[in-house]
Amino acid sequence: DAGVTQSPTHLIKTRGQQVTLRCSPISGHKSVSWYQQVLGQGPQFIFQYYEKEERGRGNFPDRFSARQFPNYSSELNVNALLLGDSALYLCASSLGFGRDSTTGELFFGEGSRLTVL
Amino acid sequence: DQQVKQNSPSLSVQEGRISILNCDYTNSMFDYFLWYKKYPAEGPTFLISISSIKDKNEDGRFTVFLNKSAKHLSLHIVPSQPGDSAVYFCAAMTDSWGKLQFGAGTQVVVTP
Repeated sequence: DAGVTQSPTHLIKTRGQQVTLRCSPISGHKSVSWYQQVLGQGPQFIFQYYEKEERGRGNFPDRFSARQFPNYSSELNVNALLLGDSALYLCASSLGFGRDSTTGELFFGEGSRLTVL
Repeated sequence: DQQVKQNSPSLSVQEGRISILNCDYTNSMFDYFLWYKKYPAEGPTFLISISSIKDKNEDGRFTVFLNKSAKHLSLHIVPSQPGDSAVYFCAAMTDSWGKLQFGAGTQVVVTP
């Protein structure tokens, strides 16, 4: 079975440009979360989507946006790129969402490595 | 504001010995804690978790201990194996499985 797949795996952009990262969750998973991992730090929560609705947003500026499609895949968009946006962007999917779910284990993709020059 | 802290960036341990990784948190609303393991060029993979209503959870060579009063948890790996060499992240959750707060990670190196 395919795990969480992300594309592209690596990309280089320049300041001010825009980037779109894509994620396909594990088949049957309806929840997708996005995380940013800067070198030397742990992943930091950006967004969570469940059943195509935003269910949570981390402390990131409005330049960051995301959406989830009817097939539960997701895109993360970052506008007006800054040097500080250089990071590994991780997508994770889970079967459940709420605290009462017993199947909430997060499965991560390998990430998209973004370099902003 | 770092609500989950792993104060040891690295740990070196001999094969066969015990590895002890520590994690502290500040938010008393956290009620579920997880450990993830990450190899280079791979995404984090779930290792073990513990609910705040428990103080210990075991899974094979891995045991997690939770001390709620001290807001402290630890991961014990016994015995350590070379394949355990990886970065280990402590994570905490409040209201949603998808919204985790991670620590900065501890790089574990298991030497022969």
